[in-house]
This record gives sequence, C-alpha cells and structure tokens, in this order.
Amino acid sequence: ETGVTQSPTHLIKTRGQQVTLRCSSQSGHNTVSWYQQALGQGPQFIFQYYREEENGRGNFPPRFSGLQFPNYSSELNVNALELDDSALYLCASSLYGLADDEQYFGPGTRLTVT
Amino acid sequence: GIQVEQSPPDLILQEGANSTLRCNFSDSVNNLQWFHQNPWGQLINLFYIPSGTKQNGRLSATTVATERYSLLYISSSQTTDSGVYFCAVTPDRDDKIIFGKGTRLHILP
Repeated sequence: ETGVTQSPTHLIKTRGQQVTLRCSSQSGHNTVSWYQQALGQGPQFIFQYYREEENGRGNFPPRFSGLQFPNYSSELNVNALELDDSALYLCASSLYGLADDEQYFGPGTRLTVT
Repeated sequence: GIQVEQSPPDLILQEGANSTLRCNFSDSVNNLQWFHQNPWGQLINLFYIPSGTKQNGRLSATTVATERYSLLYISSSQTTDSGVYFCAVTPDRDDKIIFGKGTRLHILP
C-alpha cells in the first residue's frame, strides 16, 4: 500500500508569483484535502476534493484553487503569492471524506515566499 | 463556528512519566482524530475516535461526545514521543475539519 506523497518538498517563490503543489493520494482513496500550516499553528483546512469536484472549502480566498484528476491525485494552485502564504502545505487522503473517515497525511511542502 | 481547545499548550516531562492531553470542542462532531506531528512536520495518525475508548500500545484515547471532550493518554513516555499532538474534528453537518492549536510535548531523557 502506497502512502500519501507530495512534491516538491521545499519551494521558494517571490511575492506575486504563482505556485502549484502536487499530491498523490493513498492507494484506493478517492478524497483529497489540502491544509495550510503556519509556523507554530495547527493546520487550517483549505478545501476538499471528492471524485474531481470541490466538496467543502475553508476560509481561503479564490486565489487558492485546486484540481483532482481521474487517478485521484491532486494539485493546489496559489496565485498572486503573498508573504503570509509562507507555510507548510499538507495534503491528506481518505476513502469516504471528512465527515466519515480517517485522514492520512503526506509529508508536506514547505513554501517560502520572499 | 466550532471552537477546538487543547490543553495544556506545553508539557515537559521526564522519560517514563505518564501524561493526559485534553481536547474540548464547542459543538457536536461527526468525527475526531488525534495526530502526532514529528519534528519534520509529518502528521501521524494516532486514533480515529468519534466516541468511546481505544488503545494502541502505550497510547489510549477516550472521547465523550455528549460532553464534548476527548482525552489522549500517554504512559511510560519515551523521548520519541516528543512533538506536537493535535486534535481535529469535523463538525456535525459540515464538510470541514478543524484542528486545535496543539499540545507541544517535550520528553527529557
């Protein structure tokens, strides 16, 4: 069984640029969620995708967008990067979704915006 | 929205000691998970426990959903138990997951 993987592990971007982060879900899981974790804080829910459709969103602006592909892998896109977007971005997968099932997390992508 | 409060925020213990971490939540939840975040940022599942009691080795957890709290017990602490412990809930009738701010645990050798 393959766990959740994320790429890249680290990334440095400049304010105003755009970034794409990638996540491969655990084998057999069809739901992916993305989280932002600022230093010293708990993870904040960005959104969830179930069978390629957004299915739940936290308090993040529209410049945070995502995609889920037929193989259930996922991308998080952030446009017009701001300094406060510097954080650890975590992806999690599950079989049945947030309300009904256990979440399994990837190792994260650490984004630094300068 | 729902509030998730974890206590204590920080805990320093000697190796071998026992500890109890608490998670209070302000509204009904569909599920609750406990995670351990290691120094490299990886969140490791400890328990999926919307209600009842579970045990896994030196760790156990109890959730009393009607009273809106969950407890994580760590017995005979080891230095590898150090890190941040998070409680995360999914509110009833909602498709979001809310994390507490965590308890930072330091186990001294």
